[in-house]
Amino acid sequence: EAGVVQSPRYKIIEKKQPVAFWCNPISGHNTLYWYLQNLGQGPELLIRYENEEAVDDSQLPKDRFSAERLKGVDSTLKIQPAELGDSAVYLCASSLGGTSGDEQFFGPGTRLTVL
Amino acid sequence: QKEVEQNSGPLSVPEGAIASLNCTYSDRGSQSFFWYRQYSGKSPELIMFIYSNGDKEDGRFTAQLNKASQYVSLLIRDSQPSDSATYLCAVSQGSNYQLIWGAGTKLIIKP
Repeated sequence: EAGVVQSPRYKIIEKKQPVAFWCNPISGHNTLYWYLQNLGQGPELLIRYENEEAVDDSQLPKDRFSAERLKGVDSTLKIQPAELGDSAVYLCASSLGGTSGDEQFFGPGTRLTVL
Repeated sequence: QKEVEQNSGPLSVPEGAIASLNCTYSDRGSQSFFWYRQYSGKSPELIMFIYSNGDKEDGRFTAQLNKASQYVSLLIRDSQPSDSATYLCAVSQGSNYQLIWGAGTKLIIKP
């Protein structure tokens, strides 16, 4: 079974440029998460989807970040414009459903560097 | 937002010894507790989860939960150099089971 797929793996851009990340979750997983992880920190949730619906986007900086999961499968996270402080690893994870004992499976992440 | 606290380490343990990792949380309503392992440059992967008070064993790993004292720990027996990684504690909270993550403890197993 294929795991969570993310692309690109690495991205270097100049500040004020746009950038987009793509994620394809494990087949059959209804819940999809986008996290941001800084060095030496735990993942920080940006947005969580249950199928097509964003059920928790309270931590998403909506002035510059947007996300979509149009058909309830793959998802795109966009930053426009990027700032220096956005440099981090962006992780996508998926799970079968958003219950309390649900295991989240992570993709390899996208390492973003903003110059 | 309720917090999850871990000692950042590094925690250095001789090979073959028991490594003990601890995590405290502030929300008494927390439902489930997860330990993830993250190798340098890699993504987190689940080691164990626990939701009832007491111990849960899986091979060399034992998770211990004490809800009254609001802490959860992970014991690794017969530590191996391959266990060297950062261990992340995550706690599910709230009606939507949001996962709150600690910052992780870096574990180093010395041969």
